[in-house]
Amino acid sequence: DVKVTQSSRYLVKRTGEKVFLECVQDMDHENMFWYRQDPGLGLRLIYFSYDVKMKEKGDIPEGYSVSREKKERFSLILESASTNQTSMYLCASSLAGSLAEAFFGQGTRLTVV
Amino acid sequence: AQKITQTQPGMFVQEKEAVTLDCTYDTSDPSYGLFWYKQPSSGEMIFLIYQGSYDQQNATEGRYSLNFQKARKSANLVISASQLGDSAMYFCASHSGNTPLVFGKGTRLSVIA
Repeated sequence: DVKVTQSSRYLVKRTGEKVFLECVQDMDHENMFWYRQDPGLGLRLIYFSYDVKMKEKGDIPEGYSVSREKKERFSLILESASTNQTSMYLCASSLAGSLAEAFFGQGTRLTVV
Repeated sequence: AQKITQTQPGMFVQEKEAVTLDCTYDTSDPSYGLFWYKQPSSGEMIFLIYQGSYDQQNATEGRYSLNFQKARKSANLVISASQLGDSAMYFCASHSGNTPLVFGKGTRLSVIA
């Protein structure tokens, strides 16, 4: 069965902390994505990656960075967490060069206090 | 750039009735895919149905069908015989080639017994 796994379901961090959100997929997908979901705003793309060590900025990259050292793992990093980064974070993966659907992880609800 | 518009923030439907969730899209690419996802209160994104821009027939998956009107750039989701378990957020999305999925803001569907 297809699987995208996010390391935490719920996370509470303090303002100023460095936060790592991990995502692992077992489908050998080339593409991986990080979205942020807020009420009334839908899903907004933070960063994506089409291959190992490659990354592209999405629509809202400010305050975030990413790392993709291995094909199956895509990490989202909040360099210095702020309260306006309290949100639901969703990781997804998909096959390269196709119009196939993306598969999502279960989401991480991050609260920054 | 692609854009997805979902104009219904919330919808109510009686159990066993059909409901249509609206979605319009804007893209200049001739080849693209359209997707609908369901997000229950638990948070995971569940892929429901896909329509390719060159598909001649409307996509169907069980109780879900996609009313694809290419000239009007609309891709409405029709859910027949609504069930209480259909209560969720529904997102329309699209992408073309190797671009990331772009999402609408979502529609919250509530099924009433």
